Amino acid sequence: GENVEQHPSTLSVQEGDSAVIKCTYSDSASNYFPWYKQELGKRPQLIIDIRSNVGEKKDQRIAVTLNKTAKHFSLHITETQPEDSAVYFCAATVNYGGATNKLIFGTGTLLAVQP
Amino acid sequence: GAVVSQHPSWVICKSGTSVKIECRSLDFQATTMFWYRQFPKQSLMLMATSNEGSKATYEQGVEKDKFLINHASLTLSTLTVTSAHPEDSSFYICSARDSRQIQETQYFGPGTRLLVL
Repeated sequence: GENVEQHPSTLSVQEGDSAVIKCTYSDSASNYFPWYKQELGKRPQLIIDIRSNVGEKKDQRIAVTLNKTAKHFSLHITETQPEDSAVYFCAATVNYGGATNKLIFGTGTLLAVQP
Repeated sequence: GAVVSQHPSWVICKSGTSVKIECRSLDFQATTMFWYRQFPKQSLMLMATSNEGSKATYEQGVEKDKFLINHASLTLSTLTVTSAHPEDSSFYICSARDSRQIQETQYFGPGTRLLVL
């Protein structure tokens, strides 16, 4: 089955710096890669996603890149702010042909933005 | 749009009792809902996929007789933890897919924190 690895597990940056979180996946059939932000005790919130027919997608300070050949994708946050501090999860879909797509999550990255 | 609610938000129960958690899509229809469990400082682990009008699909290692799932309508799925034990204490989160959308986007509920004494 699909396996998603995520690095680093923790990341501390200074306010204004950039943060990069990387994920790799194992199933070459995966074609949808969302990123979720989860604050302590709250629900995961979708912040950006990318499909396999696109190599890069950007939304203001957040961008995601995808390398299908290497089977890895990354989240880039620029000009980080203290409110960006949270746990970030990457995920990948596993499509078993006609069956409902299900998300497989990475292990999460705790991002701490120091003021 | 795309709001998912869960009830209750937290519950404390005695060992051996059953607990029912509701997941509702408030402004869209969801043919498919998903149930996850999240232990402290860990990732979301998919427990089962809930399909309206049919039996749920459980992930390997998840006991279907212990975690009963019912998806009786396009806006409601329920998870019942039967004969709960302390090791079942966790954060249970549901998500739902909008049936009208082609995309695989899942919208998450706020979660239910279960503590079994």
